Amino acid sequence: AQSVTQPDIHITVSEGASLELRCNYSYGATPYLFWYVQSPGQGLQLLLKYFSGDTLVQGIKGFEAEFKRSQSSFNLRKPSVHWSDAAEYFCAVVESGGSYIPTFGRGTSLIVHP
Amino acid sequence: ETGVTQSPTHLIKTRGQQVTLRCSSQSGHNTVSWYQQALGQGPQFIFQYYREEENGRGNFPPRFSGLQFPNYSSELNVNALELDDSALYLCASSPSGTAYGYTFGSGTRLTVV
Repeated sequence: AQSVTQPDIHITVSEGASLELRCNYSYGATPYLFWYVQSPGQGLQLLLKYFSGDTLVQGIKGFEAEFKRSQSSFNLRKPSVHWSDAAEYFCAVVESGGSYIPTFGRGTSLIVHP
Repeated sequence: ETGVTQSPTHLIKTRGQQVTLRCSSQSGHNTVSWYQQALGQGPQFIFQYYREEENGRGNFPPRFSGLQFPNYSSELNVNALELDDSALYLCASSPSGTAYGYTFGSGTRLTVV
């Protein structure tokens, strides 16, 4: 069964600093990969997704993620964090060719200091 | 284009009661999924409906049930509520499978006392 690991429960960065949130997955073939963001009291918003092709994908709000097959990773990055980026971030994996039902990681809470 | 709307936004129920949560899918989406998100956790898949048929279910007991209507809106019903059912319940819709990514609603916060 597929699984997703987000090893960092909390990440604290200063405004303007760069950001990398880690995501590792366990799945035999190449999965479909997603990053979502959740602001307090809100649902999840899709930041970006990877299906195939170029391993560096661009998303909304200045985020990008890189798929590394050798490391089974799909880390989320942003070169300069804004205070409004403070939120919960979830990585999700979908088994390609299967039921297309995503499995979510437990999330990483991003705290941004002024 | 309208997004996914859920009602109610907040709900308080007593242990043993029954609850119905509602979801209107995004226009053009025929697949609806329900997730339970406990505090500090990621969303856990409950079940998915495609064209009014359940086509996937997570590890939840039968007292969690659902419906999808011809207009693709959906309901989640939970019987015999337990304290551990307290959570944010998220509805998500997608066009024929999640490969395109879900569109999520803002959720219903259920508190069981």
